[in-house]
Amino acid sequence: KQEVTQIPAALSVPEGENLVLNCSFTDSAIYNLQWFRQDPGKGLTSLLLIQSSQREQTSGRLNASLDKSSGRSTLYIAASQPGDSATYLCAVRYSWGKLQFGAGTQVVVTP
Amino acid sequence: ETGVTQTPRHLVMGMTNKKSLKCEQHLGHNAMYWYKQSAKKPLELMFVYSLEERVENNSVPSRFSPECPNSSHLFLHLHTLQPEDSALYLCASSQSETGELFFGEGSRLTVL
Repeated sequence: KQEVTQIPAALSVPEGENLVLNCSFTDSAIYNLQWFRQDPGKGLTSLLLIQSSQREQTSGRLNASLDKSSGRSTLYIAASQPGDSATYLCAVRYSWGKLQFGAGTQVVVTP
Repeated sequence: ETGVTQTPRHLVMGMTNKKSLKCEQHLGHNAMYWYKQSAKKPLELMFVYSLEERVENNSVPSRFSPECPNSSHLFLHLHTLQPEDSALYLCASSQSETGELFFGEGSRLTVL
């Protein structure tokens, strides 16, 4: 059974600290992995897409790594700000097309 | 126009009503999706359309009926829903079934 797990479920950090969010998957036959942000009651905003052939992707303060052999992806957010408070979800697309979401990590950045 | 637009944003309906949710994408994508998001649960895929053909239907009750008249528009027709169907319904699109997903803002449905 393919599973996508995000730990921790919730995280609170003071402003300025770096955020480290984890996503693990049980099947290494992935096609790509996508990180999203969701604000309360809103849709999902795409942050980064990593193809299976890539080791990492960067966009501004965000950096996502991918290690297929260990079944892990990590999203790093540098110098966190209160505006980074949201739920972060990862989604794994497997080689045969199935897309599976994790339950998300709820982040609070305190001023 | 933003990438993926959903209407209405909020909907309250009784169990005997018939209503529809609408999704429109302005990204030139050829795949569209309906997802259901309930409190404290991962997103559940409901339907996938690729090149206007339904390619996935994840055991969704028949009271939910999708329609994809063209590659830019997707509807979800609702009929005799149950209170447990109350959720945030999210539409998404991508270029091909393996491309990056882009979501709309969602339609918050409450069934009384």
